Amino acid sequence: DGGITQSPKYLFRKEGQNVTLSCEQNLNHDAMYWYRQDPGQGLRLIYYSQIVNDFQKGDIAEGYSVSREKKESFPLTVTSAQKNPTAFYLCASRGTVRAGELFFGEGSRLTVL
Amino acid sequence: EDQVTQSPEALRLQEGESSSLNCSYTVSGLRGLFWYRQDPGKGPEFLFTLYSAGEEKEKERLKATLTKKESFLHITAPKPEDSATYLCAVPESNDYKLSFGAGTTVTVRA
Repeated sequence: DGGITQSPKYLFRKEGQNVTLSCEQNLNHDAMYWYRQDPGQGLRLIYYSQIVNDFQKGDIAEGYSVSREKKESFPLTVTSAQKNPTAFYLCASRGTVRAGELFFGEGSRLTVL
Repeated sequence: EDQVTQSPEALRLQEGESSSLNCSYTVSGLRGLFWYRQDPGKGPEFLFTLYSAGEEKEKERLKATLTKKESFLHITAPKPEDSATYLCAVPESNDYKLSFGAGTTVTVRA
């Protein structure tokens, strides 16, 4: 089945540690996204990539980094510079035909202890 | 500047009690408005795209409508399985970016 796979689903981190969240898609989509979701707030865009080897900062990129070496993969690193990293992280992809139709993964919940 | 505002924040309904959710937007030159459903602990799932005022889309007990300033998601005779958070979104000036509202959490009691 085609879709987006995020891992891990739950992650605990100590302060000062970097963590990397995985996102893999087999939908053959060019565009991929990382969003952060906090209670009572809408999804906020962290980074997005329109094509392999290219990515742009979203609205809240500080303290995060990404890479896009393969079309299928768009990992997100939450660095120690991110002041409030505890959140629900969502990866999504988009085809070219239907501009607003994002396909989301199941999400990764990061808790900083 | 907020581009998308959803109301109410939460909605509690009895099974069979129809209601509507509102999504208002401030972007000019709307290039589509999108509705998603999100179950607890899951990623959002795409429901509808609306492009022009007067347009309507339906799926089971859900019907989405669009005016020049807002969209409504009508839930007719809801069932407990309709309980979820409903999100709306509009494209920003860069079509690759969507601006999401905070969502309306709907709870339907049997």
